[in-house]
Amino acid sequence: DIQMTQSPSSLSTSVGDRVTITCQASQDIRNSLNWYKQKPGKAPNLLIYDASNLETGVPSRFSGSGSGTHFTFTINSLRPEDIATYYCQQYDDFPHTFGQGTKLEIK
Amino acid sequence: EVQLVESGGGLVTPGGSLRVSCAASGFMFNLYSMTWVRQAPGKGLEWVAYISSSSTYIYYADSVKGRFTISRDNANNSLFLQMNSLSVDDTAVYYCAKTQLVGNGGTFDHWGQGVLVTVSS
Repeated sequence: DIQMTQSPSSLSTSVGDRVTITCQASQDIRNSLNWYKQKPGKAPNLLIYDASNLETGVPSRFSGSGSGTHFTFTINSLRPEDIATYYCQQYDDFPHTFGQGTKLEIK
Repeated sequence: EVQLVESGGGLVTPGGSLRVSCAASGFMFNLYSMTWVRQAPGKGLEWVAYISSSSTYIYYADSVKGRFTISRDNANNSLFLQMNSLSVDDTAVYYCAKTQLVGNGGTFDHWGQGVLVTVSS
């Protein structure tokens, strides 16, 4: 199985900060990577697909980059509503594994 | 509007069985592959099982292989997960998820609200 290593596992941030999360795949997954946002008690929401494409309706302060084994997710100018847990997910091969998540907290 | 509504969750004793369902509406269900994802209390997301649009291709996580069966009824726009030999480690909220594009099995643009399965004696 492809292992997805996401870091950091938690991040203390402030409104207006630039936030960066990384995801490392255990093997080459090309650009087969998605990023989701999840708030407590809610289902995840797709933000970024194919490593760098913004899902319809997602604000442009969210972005993704990378290919192969190393990927980056960025939130420019963090807003209060962005406080959530973020997950990467690969779909290059089954099982379509998730990273362990990054929980954003307010300082 | 795409809607996915799970049902069938509840409390089951270890070793027992349960079937959860997902009723889909607002899109051509028979064209899209579907996936179950679960989340144990306080834990991250775990991919569980995948079924292609016509049920030709089915895949499972190693943690559920041989115990869980994913199926679908395209005539009634429904997705199912039959869970047997349940253990406490299967306690989780189970989400059904729709793939974003026809032919793309791994990007989930719509999710159900989730259904809680609790395995406890």
